[in-house]
Amino acid sequence: AQSVAQPEDQVNVAEGNPLTVKCTYSVSGNPYLFWYVQYPNRGLQFLLKYITGDNLVKGSYGFEAEFNKSQTSFHLKKPSALVSDSALYFCAVRPESYIPTFGRGTSLIVHP
Amino acid sequence: DAMVIQNPRYQVTQFGKPVTLSCSQTLNHNVMYWYQQKSSQAPKLLFHYYDKDFNNEADTPDNFQSRRPNTSFCFLDIRSPGLGDAAMYLCATSRDNRDQPQHFGDGTRLSIL
Repeated sequence: AQSVAQPEDQVNVAEGNPLTVKCTYSVSGNPYLFWYVQYPNRGLQFLLKYITGDNLVKGSYGFEAEFNKSQTSFHLKKPSALVSDSALYFCAVRPESYIPTFGRGTSLIVHP
Repeated sequence: DAMVIQNPRYQVTQFGKPVTLSCSQTLNHNVMYWYQQKSSQAPKLLFHYYDKDFNNEADTPDNFQSRRPNTSFCFLDIRSPGLGDAAMYLCATSRDNRDQPQHFGDGTRLSIL
């Protein structure tokens, strides 16, 4: 069965510092991986995806993610965090169908 | 802009009083989903439509029903809301391709008195 894990409930980072939000997955076959962001009282917004090709994927708002097949990871990164990046982040995988499996979410808090 | 619209954004109902939440899309996506989300947890899939075909998740209570009269609209009916049904309800759409992301509405926050 497919699964995705976000091991950190919360990540704290100072503004201007690099940030990483972790995601690991367990699927059979090729994973289709996604990151979404959710601001308070809003729906989820698509940030980026990995389907195939270059392991470093660039997305919206300066975010990027690195796919690592050997470590079955797809960590979200940003070189310089902004206070406005504070939100809830969800990793998702679509292993065999269009129905995604979501991680439990990571709350990112960027301190001024 | 093409988008997913949910109405109302906030809904208050009484314990046991039926309520209907609505979702519309201009993306012409063939798949529409309803999720329940509580307290910053991961969205929980209730059911989805693939075109007109309804797909219920095994653990979705019978209290929750859905209708999709056409491609653009989808409704979530809660027949007898209980206190435990207070949550954010998210509608999403996608194409039936694994490589295409979901598009979410901004949700309806349901409160039960």
